[in-house]
Amino acid sequence: DAGVIQSPRHEVTEMGQEVTLRCKPISGHDYLFWYRQTMMRGLELLIYFNNNVPIDDSGMPEDRFSAKMPNASFSTLKIQPSEPRDSAVYFCASSTGQGNQPQHFGDGTRLSIL
Amino acid sequence: AQSVTQLGSHVSVSEGALVLLRCNYSSSVPPYLFWYVQYPNQGLQLLLKYTTGATLVKGINGFEAEFKKSETSFHLTKPSAHMSDAAEYFCAVSGRDDKIIFGKGTRLHILP
Repeated sequence: DAGVIQSPRHEVTEMGQEVTLRCKPISGHDYLFWYRQTMMRGLELLIYFNNNVPIDDSGMPEDRFSAKMPNASFSTLKIQPSEPRDSAVYFCASSTGQGNQPQHFGDGTRLSIL
Repeated sequence: AQSVTQLGSHVSVSEGALVLLRCNYSSSVPPYLFWYVQYPNQGLQLLLKYTTGATLVKGINGFEAEFKKSETSFHLTKPSAHMSDAAEYFCAVSGRDDKIIFGKGTRLHILP
């Protein structure tokens, strides 16, 4: 079975540019999560969706960040405009939901903002 | 609300020695507990989980963890470390909502 697929794997761009990260969850998973991982702050939950609807976006750092899930098989995380402090590894994860179900992670997008 | 504390951001053990990674949790409801492993340039992978039932949980790669309610702990162990076990390990807790709360991680170093 295909796991969670993220693209691109690496992104390097200049400050002020728009960045779009993409995620395809595992088929049949109703929940999709976006995380950010840095050395300083560890793994942070940014936002999660249930059945394509955003449930909790309290972890989104500021209005420059936005996430969408137009259908059950695709989600995007957008940063506009990007800043150097946004440099991190961004992970997407999916699950069948409920707290007792594990999350399945993609391999992440390593984002560098120059 | 749930929280998790991992003791030690770095742990070093010799190859063949016992691995012990410590995790304590806080939860207002009976918790679900997880251990994940992250290898370089990869996402997190599930090692094992505790939901209900037997308190000693066996996972992949020879790891196991024991849920101790009285100590609010869920420590991860492996009898004999292998070089391939070098990675970062995350303990996580969940309650009755949809979110999993992750600890800050422990990087395991294996000494030859």
